[in-house]
Amino acid sequence: KAGVTQTPRYLIKTRGQQVTLSCSPISGHRSVSWYQQTPGQGLQFLFEYFSETQRNKGNFPGRFSGRQFSNSRSEMNVSTLELGDSALYLCASSLRTGGGGMNTEAFFGQGTRLTVV
Amino acid sequence: KQEVTQIPAALSVPEGENLVLNCSFTDSAIYNLQWFRQDPGKGLTSLLLIQSSQREQTSGRLNASLDKSSGRSTLYIAASQPGDSATYLCAVNNNDMRFGAGTRLTVKP
Repeated sequence: KAGVTQTPRYLIKTRGQQVTLSCSPISGHRSVSWYQQTPGQGLQFLFEYFSETQRNKGNFPGRFSGRQFSNSRSEMNVSTLELGDSALYLCASSLRTGGGGMNTEAFFGQGTRLTVV
Repeated sequence: KQEVTQIPAALSVPEGENLVLNCSFTDSAIYNLQWFRQDPGKGLTSLLLIQSSQREQTSGRLNASLDKSSGRSTLYIAASQPGDSATYLCAVNNNDMRFGAGTRLTVKP
């Protein structure tokens, strides 16, 4: 069974540009969550999508957005990139049931390393 | 707001030692708690998941306990090996997953 796949693995972008990251969850998983990891702030929750709907959102500016497709694949977009957006972006998938919170085991991808110069 | 703390921040032990990593959280209204391992520059590997109704889970040399009322979890690693060297993260799950800052473990041969 394939794991969570994130593409691309590495990206270098210039300030002011925008970027789109992709996450393919484990087959059958309908929940995809995104996290930003930096040395200073650790792992921070960005947002979660379930059945193409954003279910929860962390405390990030509107430049960070996402979406989920009918096949559960998710994309995350960051517009007007800033140097501080340089980070490892991780996505996680889970079987999460429809009504509750994060009540099932989460599985992570290898991440996308974004460098903004 | 849920706060998750991990102690110690770093730990260095000789091979073969048994060790305990600690995780504490401020809000006991959680669905479950998950322990992860992260190697440098890589993603997170799930080690153990403890549901809120459970007290402990075991997988091989790993044993995790959960005391929801006191807001604490421990990860016990038996007979540590150099391959166990990594950062260990705990995460508590409610409406979203909140992570501790991690414990960086080094096991010396």
